[in-house]
Amino acid sequence: QKEVEQDPGPLSVPEGAIVSLNCTYSNSAFQYFMWYRQYSRKGPELLMYTYSSGNKEDGRFTAQVDKSSKYISLFIRDSQPSDSATYLCAMRKNTGGFKTIFGAGTRLFVKA
Amino acid sequence: DGGITQSPKYLFRKEGQNVTLSCEQNLNHDAMYWYRQDPGQGLRLIYYSQIVNDFQKGDIAEGYSVSREKKESFPLTVTSAQKNPTAFYLCASSSGLNTEAFFGQGTRLTVV
Repeated sequence: QKEVEQDPGPLSVPEGAIVSLNCTYSNSAFQYFMWYRQYSRKGPELLMYTYSSGNKEDGRFTAQVDKSSKYISLFIRDSQPSDSATYLCAMRKNTGGFKTIFGAGTRLFVKA
Repeated sequence: DGGITQSPKYLFRKEGQNVTLSCEQNLNHDAMYWYRQDPGQGLRLIYYSQIVNDFQKGDIAEGYSVSREKKESFPLTVTSAQKNPTAFYLCASSSGLNTEAFFGQGTRLTVV
């Protein structure tokens, strides 16, 4: 079993829809959770960075962490065609040296 | 503008040849990383460096080598010992080992 599971999609939605992207994980020691957006043939860019449980909002994006369920989500409101990209979740522990684990990414298509 | 520069964007290599991928950052970050990205898989860590003249193997270091002679530079050499080198290579940096990473735009290596 992978430490981080992410549905690869693709996920296709109409413009203006609310998008929900999710990852599950198995290691309860993960404390830091990140979402990256990656356009085709580009490097990932950091979207959201959260510590422990709870919600964090930034414009149209909301990151949610549920540590009891080992489940994280990224919500995109009023989705735009420019949101079409691959979204990668990532997480790491607070101690024990460096180890960031990435999900495989979910491909999102927002249709105009 | 501060950022991470990877070059070249596309690279072709004949089997049996070594090739070096360049990564330069002007963010004054201490830590630098090399990842490999293959379709349907998460980013896999090849090598990382916390400080000049020091680096550590990641999960898939076999067939790769790195150096860190300057803070701003972290070149990756893909040797002929790497059995399946065709992939998208991403360099990243962060201010510290346990802070969020920022990525370059990647180098796509193809073995012909």
